[in-house]
Amino acid sequence: EAGVAQSPRYKIIEKRQSVAFWCNPISGHATLYWYQQILGQGPKLLIQFQNNGVVDDSQLPKDRFSAERLKGVDSTLKIQPAKLEDSAVYLCASSTDSTHTEAFFGQGTRLTVV
Amino acid sequence: AQSVTQLDSQVPVFEEAPVELRCNYSSSVSVYLFWYVQYPNQGLQLLLKYLSGSTLVKGINGFEAEFNKSQTSFHLRKPSVHISDTAEYFCAVSSSYNTDKLIFGTGTRLQVFP
Repeated sequence: EAGVAQSPRYKIIEKRQSVAFWCNPISGHATLYWYQQILGQGPKLLIQFQNNGVVDDSQLPKDRFSAERLKGVDSTLKIQPAKLEDSAVYLCASSTDSTHTEAFFGQGTRLTVV
Repeated sequence: AQSVTQLDSQVPVFEEAPVELRCNYSSSVSVYLFWYVQYPNQGLQLLLKYLSGSTLVKGINGFEAEFNKSQTSFHLRKPSVHISDTAEYFCAVSSSYNTDKLIFGTGTRLQVFP
């Protein structure tokens, strides 16, 4: 079974530029999560999708971050414009249902904003 | 709201020695508890979870954890570690009423020396 795929693995951008991350969840997984993991901290949930609908985006900085999950499969997370404090690893995870008991994580995208 | 405290940011240990990684949580409601492992440049992998029932939970790679409700702890243990156990370990909690919101601790880096 293929795992959660994320791209790119690494990205370096200047502040005020925009960037987009892509995630392909495990086939058949209805729930998709985006997490932000800042160095030295645990992952923090940014947004959760159930199929193509948003379940929770309470911790998403909506003035600069956006995410979509068209057709309930792949998802993209965008930052525009980026700030230095956005430097982090962005993890995508998916699960068969809405509980975290069966979530599988991708390898993440490491973003460096300079 | 729930919170998680991992008391040790780093734990150095020699190969074949026992290890305990400490985790304490705070919650006003009943909880589910998890331990995840993150190898370098990888996503998170579920080690074990406590949902209900026996307070001693066994996971993959020889790890186990014990849920102690009176001390609000969920410490992770392994009787004999290997070099390959070197990784970052995250404790996480969710409310049993809102299992979607997973709160992670700041992580403990386990460094196993030969």
